[in-house]
Amino acid sequence: QQQVKQSPQSLIVQKGGISIINCAYENTAFDYFPWYQQFPGKGPALLIAIRPDVSEKKEGRFTISFNKSAKQFSLHIMDSQPGDSATYFCAHPTQGGSEKLVFGKGMKLTVNP
Amino acid sequence: DAGVIQSPRHEVTEMGQEVTLRCKPISGHNSLFWYRQTMMRGLELLIYFNNNVPIDDSGMPEDRFSAKMPNASFSTLKIQPSEPRDSAVYFCASRESGNTIYFGEGSWLTVV
Repeated sequence: QQQVKQSPQSLIVQKGGISIINCAYENTAFDYFPWYQQFPGKGPALLIAIRPDVSEKKEGRFTISFNKSAKQFSLHIMDSQPGDSATYFCAHPTQGGSEKLVFGKGMKLTVNP
Repeated sequence: DAGVIQSPRHEVTEMGQEVTLRCKPISGHNSLFWYRQTMMRGLELLIYFNNNVPIDDSGMPEDRFSAKMPNASFSTLKIQPSEPRDSAVYFCASRESGNTIYFGEGSWLTVV
């Protein structure tokens, strides 16, 4: 029932590097594309989200980009820091009103000092 | 503001026992979700409620699982009887009227 596919499953980068996480979705009916961040022992928390009235959204070091024709959206983390080490999930609604949010399987990011 | 509050945070129980997980959503939020997280399957939506009414329980794995929301400030997820394959982290989450879902810190369940 996987409707949202993430890649890669894990990533190790050096401090200061760029981390890129990709997400492919199936349901084209809905226009909300969030990324959630989860630290060990905590619940996921919204990091950044985009609606496709824009193709890119930047918040600090985090940028989300959207490619409608490819049915993909990506998260870029610039100047990666050890504190960014976490698991990142993309998500997408499966029915009206974004009520049923389906998550990707997550990508574990490790940023080495 | 208090976030979503879940209890217990950790539970170890024996196979066959009943397990009850509890959730207090953020005040004023009208949607409540129960998710299960495992290494193999990731985050799975089990059931969600709008205004205390169950809307979609298609993710509930089997009849051993049940969820209730008797009022706007409390929900339970019950597993009876529990099995080792139910071992997972169970998250409760709530949402007001926008898109953002707010998760609790989870209940870590181990069934031995």
